[in-house]
Parts: sequence; structure tokens; C-alpha cells
Amino acid sequence: DAGVIQSPRHEVTEMGQEVTLRCKPISGHDYLFWYRQTMMRGLELLIYFNNNVPIDDSGMPEDRFSAKMPNASFSTLKIQPSEPRDSAVYFCASIRDRISGNTIYFGEGSWLTVV
Amino acid sequence: EDKVVQSPLSLVVHEGDTVTLNCSYEVTNFRSLLWYKQEKKAPTFLFMLTSSGIEKKSGRLSSILDKKELFSILNITATQTGDSAIYLCAVGRHQAGTALIFGKGTTLSVSS
Repeated sequence: DAGVIQSPRHEVTEMGQEVTLRCKPISGHDYLFWYRQTMMRGLELLIYFNNNVPIDDSGMPEDRFSAKMPNASFSTLKIQPSEPRDSAVYFCASIRDRISGNTIYFGEGSWLTVV
Repeated sequence: EDKVVQSPLSLVVHEGDTVTLNCSYEVTNFRSLLWYKQEKKAPTFLFMLTSSGIEKKSGRLSSILDKKELFSILNITATQTGDSAIYLCAVGRHQAGTALIFGKGTTLSVSS
């Protein structure tokens, strides 16, 4: 199994630009999560999907952030316009189902720097 | 509000030392507590604990959960420089698919 695949691995962009992060969950996993990690705040949940449907987006910081999951094998997290405070590592993660015991599989992260 | 608190936030030790990392939690519908190790990339799974008093062990690492006092500890004996990492504690709840709540982590640095 290839694991959770994220792209890009690293992104440096100028303030005001649109950023799109991509994620392919593990095949057969019903739940997909987007987390953001910073030194100050640690790992924060932004949004999660169950069977491609957004369930809880209360962690999305503001309207500049949006996430979609058009099918079971692909999700995007978009920031428009980006700001320097959005600089962080963005992790995508997936779990098989509710019975899996909360064992979550992380991608390797997208390291975003907004200058 | 559900929360997971880890202490200390950072720790510097010498090779061979034993360290204890702490994790306390206040969550509704507790299901499990998980420990992860994060080096330069994604967190990697260490342990999942669901029952009090049962120690989980893997090599030099061990962990135990106290559901009455709402905390867990992660012990690392005979530390090595390769143990340097961020150790994350997370709590899962019974609601279906509910995401894990993470602590901010403990940054461990092991010097040779």
C-alpha cells in the first residue's frame, strides 16, 4: 500500500497567491482529515470527511480556507488569498472506518511557506 | 472543551538517561489514547492504550494509561540520539470517525 500521498511536499509562495494542497488517502479508507501543524499551536484539525462528505469544518480558520473531496481518492485544501500566518505544515490523514480503533495514517505533509 | 495537555514541552537529556513524558486529557466519550513519534516528517504510531493499568511495551519504550486520573506516561529508557523527536499524545473518542485531539507535543533532544 502506498500510504497517504500528499503534494506538493514543499511550497513557497508570495502573500496573496492561491495555494492548493492535494491528498490521496489510502484506498478503502472512509475518513479523510486535514491537519495543520505549527510550533505555537501543535497539530490542529481543520476539517474531516466521511465518504467524501465534509462532516466537521469547525477548525477551518476563516473563509480563505476551503476543502473539497470530489471522490474517494482525492481531496484538496485551498487557501486564497494566502497570508504569512498560514505558513505551516499541512498534513492529510485517513482511517479505514470507525472500528479501526482511531489508528490514523498520516501523509508526509505539505510544508507551506508564505512570504 | 476537550483538551490534551503534554508536559514538559521540551526536554534535553544525555544518552543513556531515562525520560518520562506526560499526557493529561479532558475529553468526552474517551475511547483511546495514542502516542506518536514525529521526526522530520509525518507522525509515526507508537502505542494505542484503551485500558487502565496495562503497560504497552516496545523495546526501550513503554506506556501506561490511568483512566481514573486521566493521564498517560511514555517512558524511554537508555535514551539514544535517535530518540530525538517530537512525541505527540492524542485522544480518540467514541463518536464515529471523530478526529483525534492532539496535544502540542514534547520535543525531546538527546545529546551524545
